[in-house]
Order: sequence, then structure tokens, then C-alpha cells
Amino acid sequence: DSGVTQTPKHLITATGQRVTLRCSPRSGDLSVYWYQQSLDQGLQFLIQYYNGEERAKGNILERFSAQQFPDLHSELNLSSLELGDSALYFCASSVDSGHHFGNGTRLTVT
Amino acid sequence: QKEVEQDPGPLSVPEGAIVSLNCTYSNSAFQYFMWYRQYSRKGPELLMYTYSSGNKEDGRFTAQVDKSSKYISLFIRDSQPSDSATYLCAMSETGGFKTIFGAGTRLFVKA
Repeated sequence: DSGVTQTPKHLITATGQRVTLRCSPRSGDLSVYWYQQSLDQGLQFLIQYYNGEERAKGNILERFSAQQFPDLHSELNLSSLELGDSALYFCASSVDSGHHFGNGTRLTVT
Repeated sequence: QKEVEQDPGPLSVPEGAIVSLNCTYSNSAFQYFMWYRQYSRKGPELLMYTYSSGNKEDGRFTAQVDKSSKYISLFIRDSQPSDSATYLCAMSETGGFKTIFGAGTRLFVKA
């Protein structure tokens, strides 16, 4: 068990809808990272937060946004969903460079 | 050209074999090098974490970093069927603000 909790495990929704994915980092970890993993793209970095502030941005679409709250949990909001957004979304937390990943949220857009 | 290149495999070996997994990279600023193991339907699990060049050993796993060649390796000794998974290399610059992952190599260890 990595100590990183992600909810929900599975999400099925329709195109055009909006969803929120939630992540609770390991106790004491200040950094939270969001990744998207699809079969053809591998693990793609989306965004990082450190102690409530955005620290780095990767290939995150404008339709996607994230935030980290004072209790350090984080949410990833995906809106105007498209079929191509179907993927596994992972959250990771860290103290240093080594990431500890949750088991992901599998998003299916129909 | 991708910053990190990793052969996706699949790589199939018999039980007990020594497995060699490799990645090459182009960014000479990378200082932190990691290997992750990912089982199906699970999140990646941190296996090895090294800083700069050199070797690191942990049980049956050995990680090697050659910064002069921009090449990293993970060796698995006495491979077991339970080692069957996807192995991802990852690396980041000093400070670790942005980590780049390889595509992952699928490994099958046959009993």
C-alpha cells in the first residue's frame, strides 16, 4: 500500500460532462502530481502542486484543472469530456523525487 | 526525439534468468533516476531511486546509471513469475519538479 488514496476507482460518463477526481496524498507529503496513462501515450505528466500552490504544468488541456486544498488533498476536474479523455488518471505524492502512486481512477467516456 | 526512450517489449524470459531493462535519455540535466514496477490495474510502484551516476543494489534488483552515455539500466537476478509486470524508468532534473517517464517495458517471466 503506497498510502496514496484515489477516488473513485472507476467512472463512466458521457461526452460533454464534467467529473472530479480526488486524491489524498501520503501523510507528510507536500507535493501532489497528476498523470494520465493511456495505451498509446504512456504516462503523461499533467500538473504538480506543492503545499497548495501550482508548481509545474505538463501536457494538461485547458478543459482540465486541478487544485490542492489546505489539508493537502487534491482534486482534478475534467470538463467538456471527449471520447479521447478515456484513460487511467493517477495521482502521486512525494517528499523528494521518488513518487508514490495511488491505484488510479479509470475514466471511461461514452 | 523523446527525452526518454524505452523499448516497450514485450520481453519474455524463463524463470531464473537475469533480466536487463534499459533506458536512454537526451537531457543532460537529469540528476535523479528511478525505476517503477506496474502490475496490471495498479499504480506504478517505486523500485529503485538513485542520484547521479553509479550503481545501487536492493535484493535481486540492481540499478545502474551512466551519465556519460545517458543510459540507465535495471537488472533483475533470479527472475520470478511474480516479476512479470511493466517496468518504467523515470528521471528528473535537480529539485525533481518535473519527472519524465519512459514508455515502459512489459516483462513476462515464464515458470
